[in-house]
Amino acid sequence: SQQGEEDPQALSIQEGENATMNCSYKTSINNLQWYRQNSGRGLVHLILIRSNEREKHSGRLRVTLDTSKKSSSLLITASRAADTASYFCATDDRGSTLGRLYFGRGTQLTVWP
Amino acid sequence: SQTIHQWPATLVQPVGSPLSLECTVEGTSNPNLYWYRQAAGRGLQLLFYSVGIGQISSEVPQNLSASRPQDRQFILSSKKLLLSDSGFYLCAWSGWGSEDEKLFFGSGTQLSVL
Repeated sequence: SQQGEEDPQALSIQEGENATMNCSYKTSINNLQWYRQNSGRGLVHLILIRSNEREKHSGRLRVTLDTSKKSSSLLITASRAADTASYFCATDDRGSTLGRLYFGRGTQLTVWP
Repeated sequence: SQTIHQWPATLVQPVGSPLSLECTVEGTSNPNLYWYRQAAGRGLQLLFYSVGIGQISSEVPQNLSASRPQDRQFILSSKKLLLSDSGFYLCAWSGWGSEDEKLFFGSGTQLSVL
């Protein structure tokens, strides 16, 4: 399937440390997105990177994309306790005009104060 | 600005009972609409999507159905719930264009079938 897979499944760090999460996918994409989900809530879009981009920044977030390896990473720098959440990568379906996204199982990030 | 409303927030239903979850979007027209389900500790599974009124596509065969009676209204239904229908249901919308490819999610409905 097109579904992305995040790694690791769980990550526990101290405030101030950097958190890196990885995502692998299986087929060609137009773009890859990262979302965040607080427990029991809906997902919130964080950042989108297109297939012709290799790196993108947004505040403390840095996303990389390697289409040859079909992988992406999300780096959160100087993490805070408020960053505690689940993080999901989502890929689209290249050639699709319908905007369907396929999500992985997520990485549960815990940031300890 | 655009907003998405999804209700109820929680629902406990007996096996065999019907289901109706509603989602409405404000502040945009002709959105793409989606229903996702998230089982405990799992990723999101796309259930249905719709690109217009009355146009529904199903991603996986299941005990559920969806309808879009109005442009900004998306309903998830079941005639008889199964235990396996338990989960966290999320409605989402998107536009479609160079800057509109991201999804905006509702706050979700936690459904427990007992």
